[in-house]
Amino acid sequence: QVQLVQSGAEVKKPGASVKVSCKVSGYTLTELSMHWVRQAPGKGLEWMGGFDPEDGETIYAQKFQGRVTMTEDTSTDTAYMELSSLRSEDTAVYYCATSYCSSTSCYHDYWGQGTLVTVSS
Amino acid sequence: EIVLTQSPATLSLSPGERATLSCGASQSVSSSYLAWYQQKPGLAPRLLIYDASSRATGIPDRFSGSGSGTDFTLTISRLEPEDFAVYYCQQYGSSPRYTFGQGTKLEIK
Repeated sequence: QVQLVQSGAEVKKPGASVKVSCKVSGYTLTELSMHWVRQAPGKGLEWMGGFDPEDGETIYAQKFQGRVTMTEDTSTDTAYMELSSLRSEDTAVYYCATSYCSSTSCYHDYWGQGTLVTVSS
Repeated sequence: EIVLTQSPATLSLSPGERATLSCGASQSVSSSYLAWYQQKPGLAPRLLIYDASSRATGIPDRFSGSGSGTDFTLTISRLEPEDFAVYYCQQYGSSPRYTFGQGTKLEIK
């Protein structure tokens, strides 16, 4: 059973950066494809990006290109999502979620508990 | 980019009733790549259905998914009190990799 435990809530000022962590247990990070999804208060889910095993690289939603960096530390089985140049619209709960793909389907099967990032001056 | 539109935005029903939630795609979606999630307040989403009609592990059989092409449906045959939540459809594609619908809130009437 995969478990994803995320770091705690953050409060940041506009223009700053935030780095959220996601610790994996039950599996090793190399066995998983980790993605990140965010949810603004009272809004829907928005995919940000993640590791694409088909291409062997991390892919990002166009909206976040240039502002987001997703990395992994396989020695500690921890994934990270860093978002820079924060603005108030980035206030949201950020989730890590594994992406499972077979030859016929792809979906997010395991989710972290979420990390609230608040951007406020 | 494929856009998923869910309807209705809010569905008000009573326990024991049947719920039918719709997800329409702006372009044809492979059924294999259509999933449904349930989200309760303050919690992460939970996978319900994948491949448009396959139930995830531990999901009760009152939940079923159907559809193909541009029209997909999540049906809850007989609502239990714990089923009142927000439901999202999601598709997997080329760019962006994942797209979500805007959600349907299922509330108690």
